[in-house]
Amino acid sequence: SYVLTQPPSVSVAPGQTARITCGGNNIGSKSVHWYQQKPGQAPVLVVYDDSDRPSGIPERFSGSNSGNTATLTISRVEAGDEADYYCQVWDSSSDHHYVFGTGTKVTVL
Amino acid sequence: QVQLQESGPGLVKPSQTLSLTCTVSGGSISSGDYYWSWIRQPPGKGLEWIGYIYYSGSTYYNPSLKSRVTISVDTSKNQFSLKLSSVTAADTAVYYCARGYDSADYWGQGTLVTVSS
Repeated sequence: SYVLTQPPSVSVAPGQTARITCGGNNIGSKSVHWYQQKPGQAPVLVVYDDSDRPSGIPERFSGSNSGNTATLTISRVEAGDEADYYCQVWDSSSDHHYVFGTGTKVTVL
Repeated sequence: QVQLQESGPGLVKPSQTLSLTCTVSGGSISSGDYYWSWIRQPPGKGLEWIGYIYYSGSTYYNPSLKSRVTISVDTSKNQFSLKLSSVTAADTAVYYCARGYDSADYWGQGTLVTVSS
């Protein structure tokens, strides 16, 4: 099955930029989606189709995808961005249709 | 605004069947634009896709759970359901229902199901 690998943790100071990577074999050929999950809450979709934002998601959240790595970038990080972040792809060609990444804990220093 | 709400027992005994229902409001399962998913998260761990169903009844399951999972839909009640048989402690998790196609744009709040005697 398809595997998505994320760093376990990323630390960033307020106002700086956080970059969270998601590695997968030729992931650039797939659409990548990103979720934010705060403690005790359900995940929230923050980026879909590599770089699009759902309504209500700040422009500070952006995404890119090329080669074997997709990246979620959070600009001008705020304390409220502290959360777990998961990447996800839809792989209808295999039996594992929804594949989630391992998750990254973003800590705001 | 679409809302999803999970319901069902919070405690299930080992070897029994876990049963949950997701009630959808603010949108129709029969619209045909989305898959309706079950996703779970063991305590302190990551997200695992269980499977999803289309309004027509077509289902797709995670191969690792396929032998134990059944997802069904009741369009008249705007609900879809999950059954997971022969549960063990490893099935203890927060279970989420969600709407989506290739991504999940609306989620329920989640319900914790503990497997214990």
